[in-house]
Amino acid sequence: DAKTTQPNSMESNEEEPVHLPCNHSTISGTDYIHWYRQLPSQGPEYVIHGLTSNVNNRMASLAIAEDRKSSTLILHRATLRDAAVYYCIKMDSNYQLIWGAGTKLIIKP
Amino acid sequence: GAVVSQHPSWVICKSGTSVKIECRSLDFQATTMFWYRQFPKQSLMLMATSNEGSKATYEQGVEKDKFLINHASLTLSTLTVTSAHPEDSSFYICSAPTGGFPYEQYFGPGTRLTVT
Repeated sequence: DAKTTQPNSMESNEEEPVHLPCNHSTISGTDYIHWYRQLPSQGPEYVIHGLTSNVNNRMASLAIAEDRKSSTLILHRATLRDAAVYYCIKMDSNYQLIWGAGTKLIIKP
Repeated sequence: GAVVSQHPSWVICKSGTSVKIECRSLDFQATTMFWYRQFPKQSLMLMATSNEGSKATYEQGVEKDKFLINHASLTLSTLTVTSAHPEDSSFYICSAPTGGFPYEQYFGPGTRLTVT
């Protein structure tokens, strides 16, 4: 099964870091891990992707375990606008994104 | 980043009529586009892969005669829901990959279809 496993929901306080975990135990050596997020009633938005090394961009950081069976998306300082459903996704061999249920992130002011 | 637009953003139609949804890549060319459907409080479900100049590839269980896809140019794909029924009411989203592998995908804002 190409899907990943994420907690259904998480809560965090505004202006604090958030660590969103993802398990992808069936990942192969060439599968990339992608993260997207979806705000209510909007299309998903690309967040970050990685293969083996930790990755940083203006939105977030991605920490990938050494065995690549799990990863963590890190939002360094959450704001209310970061409240969304976050999807951790593997890309299949046809370059299609296989969507799981995602984690609903709730930010408390 | 790349921009993908959809039109209309929402549409209400009567049962039995057809509705066309447009997906455009505004600042890049997309030989491939993906169409998704999303029901309330559920994840995205891939419906089909749209390929410029060739037939779309449909996922198992998606009726190709009901959901007609046309990808006539490198910047436009259309999804037509034919003979719509209330159970077709959903949020329809398109996306297009850009850049080299592993391809970031850019998503349209979605189209809310309500069939009465």
